[in-house]
Amino acid sequence: AQTVTQSQPEMSVQEAETVTLSCTYDTSESDYYLFWYKQPPSRQMILVIRQEAYKQQNATENRFSVNFQKAAKSFSLKISDSQLGDAAMYFCAYRPFPGGNQFYFGTGTSLTVIP
Amino acid sequence: EAGVAQSPRYKIIEKRQSVAFWCNPISGHATLYWYQQILGQGPKLLIQFQNNGVVDDSQLPKDRFSAERLKGVDSTLKIQPAKLEDSAVYLCASSLDWGAQFFGPGTRLTVL
Repeated sequence: AQTVTQSQPEMSVQEAETVTLSCTYDTSESDYYLFWYKQPPSRQMILVIRQEAYKQQNATENRFSVNFQKAAKSFSLKISDSQLGDAAMYFCAYRPFPGGNQFYFGTGTSLTVIP
Repeated sequence: EAGVAQSPRYKIIEKRQSVAFWCNPISGHATLYWYQQILGQGPKLLIQFQNNGVVDDSQLPKDRFSAERLKGVDSTLKIQPAKLEDSAVYLCASSLDWGAQFFGPGTRLTVL
């Protein structure tokens, strides 16, 4: 069974500093997607970044980057130059491919950005 | 490109009343998901549609919850009768057969 684990319920970071959120997953599949979603308080869940398992290169989206370690089944999110607007719940998610329409979510990490 | 639309955004009802939520997915997305999200928790899948067929409804409390996706486009989720513990945000999401899932703004339900 696929499971996604986020071991850090809460994290905090000083504004302009860098923070890394961790995520591990368990799967026997060789192809899959991994995602990080951001959900600000009382606001919509939005996609931050995605990674295809067959790609060795780590995905990057502006200040957001991932460290994908396939053998270790680890998928951490690094936020550089943290901004107040980065404060949110962050969810890691896994989707098997092909043929996988089910998404598996972690329990989330609440990120606080300290001015 | 229009995103996932949901209505209403907020709903307050008394326990034992009924309520319905509507979702219109991104055009062309065959898969539609309904999630329940309790405050402070991650989303819990209630039901998943592929076109107008149900793929997974194993966690849907079928004695009170129902959902349909007629014509394989928009969908409604109904609760009848509502209980206090149904207070949550109900999220609708859609996806293609690959790639990411995209979420609507959610409906915040309060049951008094």
